[in-house]
Amino acid sequence: NAGVTQTPKFRVLKTGQSMTLLCAQDMNHEYMYWYRQDPGMGLRLIHYSVGEGTTAKGEVPDGYNVSRLKKQNFLLGLESAAPSQTSVYFCASSYPPSGKLDEQFFGPGTRLTVL
Amino acid sequence: DAKTTQPPSMDCAEGRAANLPCNHSTISGNEYVYWYRQIHSQGPQYIIHGLKNNETNEMASLIITEDRKSSTLILPHATLRDTAVYYCIPHSGGGADGLTFGKGTHLIIQP
Repeated sequence: NAGVTQTPKFRVLKTGQSMTLLCAQDMNHEYMYWYRQDPGMGLRLIHYSVGEGTTAKGEVPDGYNVSRLKKQNFLLGLESAAPSQTSVYFCASSYPPSGKLDEQFFGPGTRLTVL
Repeated sequence: DAKTTQPPSMDCAEGRAANLPCNHSTISGNEYVYWYRQIHSQGPQYIIHGLKNNETNEMASLIITEDRKSSTLILPHATLRDTAVYYCIPHSGGGADGLTFGKGTHLIIQP
């Protein structure tokens, strides 16, 4: 199993450009999450999904959109990138047995710089 | 969400036990205490979690005080690869809420 993978690993954008980050998991997990991590800070939740076709806002959703068309994929989009979105983006997934969240599995991260 | 207080940094000698404290005095009765760690530039990694009883797995032990207002993560024989930022995270364990990460404790294992 590859676990949680993220594409791309690095990206540099100019202000106003758009891009999509891809997260894929091969563990048949129902729940998927997008976080961002700024220097010296903990992770903050952007959006999450409890299943195929569903998405919900997290703590810092502004400036981002997401889609979960397939169970194994969770896409994070930036329609018009801003320097404030320079960050490391982590995707995670989990499948709560018996409705209990035991563990989130994280991807390796995408380092995004917006100039 | 419950607030947590962790020391910003700690040192530990290689081979010794590393004891990482966390205060979570506002934890709710249905919230578990989760511990994750993040090795430099990598995604966070789950370590252990518990509700009120002490827990142990192959990575660590978790000691939760009887009033549940604080806990201690114990790495019994720290190695250089245990150098990381450790996060203590109260969480209900149910639903799909994301984890709330604070700044954590930067544990540095000294050779």
